Amino acid sequence: GENVEQHPSTLSVQEGDSAVIKCTYSDSASNYFPWYKQELGKRPQLIIDIRSNVGEKKDQRIAVTLNKTAKHFSLHITETQPEDSAVYFCAATRRKLTFGKGITLSVRP
Amino acid sequence: DTAVSQTPKYLVTQMGNDKSIKCEQNLGHDTMYWYKQDSKKFLKIMFSYNNKELIINETVPNRFSPKSPDKAHLNLHINSLELGDSAVYFCASSYGQGTHYEQYFGPGTRLTVT
Repeated sequence: GENVEQHPSTLSVQEGDSAVIKCTYSDSASNYFPWYKQELGKRPQLIIDIRSNVGEKKDQRIAVTLNKTAKHFSLHITETQPEDSAVYFCAATRRKLTFGKGITLSVRP
Repeated sequence: DTAVSQTPKYLVTQMGNDKSIKCEQNLGHDTMYWYKQDSKKFLKIMFSYNNKELIINETVPNRFSPKSPDKAHLNLHINSLELGDSAVYFCASSYGQGTHYEQYFGPGTRLTVT
């Protein structure tokens, strides 16, 4: 089945800096890659997604890039703010959604 | 006008008991899911239903039995609870038949087994 690895497991950045979170997946047939944000004690919520026919997608301060050949995709957050502090999950799907283990992003004011 | 709701929010019970968690969505979605999030925050799918039909059943102990009376509801019944069942259980729903669309999560049910 699909295996999704997420790196690093924790990330701390200064407010205003950029943050990059990387994920790799194992199933070359996976074709949909969402990113979910989960604030402490809250539900996961979709922040951006990308499909396999697209290499990059941007939405204001966040962007996702996909490299199908290397089977990895990354989340980029620019101009980070304290409210970006949360756990971020990448996921990949062909038949079912498989989540990475999550990364805790801390933005220092 | 909550999109996906779950009850109860917290559940504390003793080993060996049987308990149920209820989920309802008012988004008109066709597919509903149960996820388990353990203490390390790992989020893993347990079951998926599409129009009341079970389409995904991961390697979950058969003490867990989902039931979908209609496409807006998906309940989870757990028999003979064990310490390892302690986790947050999330219900979710999505449009369409597959998982290629945004999944809307409920607020979660924190189950503690003592």
